[in-house]
Amino acid sequence: NAGVMQNPRHLVRRRGQEARLRCSPMKGHSHVYWYRQLPEEGLKFMVYLQKENIIDESGMPKERFSAEFPKEGPSILRIQQVVRGDSAAYFCASSPPTSGRREQYFGPGTRLTVT
Amino acid sequence: ILNVEQSPQSLHVQEGDSTNFTCSFPSSNFYALHWYRWETAKSPEALFVMTLNGDEKKKGRISATLNTKEGYSYLYIKGSQPEDSATYLCAFRDNYGQNFVFGPGTRLSVLP
Repeated sequence: NAGVMQNPRHLVRRRGQEARLRCSPMKGHSHVYWYRQLPEEGLKFMVYLQKENIIDESGMPKERFSAEFPKEGPSILRIQQVVRGDSAAYFCASSPPTSGRREQYFGPGTRLTVT
Repeated sequence: ILNVEQSPQSLHVQEGDSTNFTCSFPSSNFYALHWYRWETAKSPEALFVMTLNGDEKKKGRISATLNTKEGYSYLYIKGSQPEDSATYLCAFRDNYGQNFVFGPGTRLSVLP
């Protein structure tokens, strides 16, 4: 039973490029959460999605960031026109339909470096 | 703005020592407190979910207590081992957004 998968594990982008981070939840999980860990800081919630719906995006920066969780395929966190301050580790977590936010399983993270 | 604090920021103990650290969170609108263990280069691993004032949870040598009235939780590790070395995160959830607000973590190093 594979856990939460994220790819790529490491991503390097130049300023101004787009970054796409993918998260495949555990089998049977329909809820996905994205978190960002900035250097020397803890995890910060970004967005909570169910299939085809954004439930809570209160932690998403207002510009350049978007997330989706389509009916088929992984959840995508998209960062347009990246800047150096976007360099961070991005984690996703998933949970089964019955548990909601209570029971979250984390992926290994994607480390984004903006040069 | 929800503020979750953890202390100490880092801790070095000898193998066999027992240790504890603190998570402080808002005492109003409490819904749940989560503890995670996060080893370097791995995913955060859930340890406990605590919801009731006075809750005590135990998992092997690790245990946690909860005081929602004063807004703190303690995590205890009995007889620390080198494999306990990790960052321990707490995360607070309130009744409103039910967002996870993580503390900055306590980085534990257990020296053999």
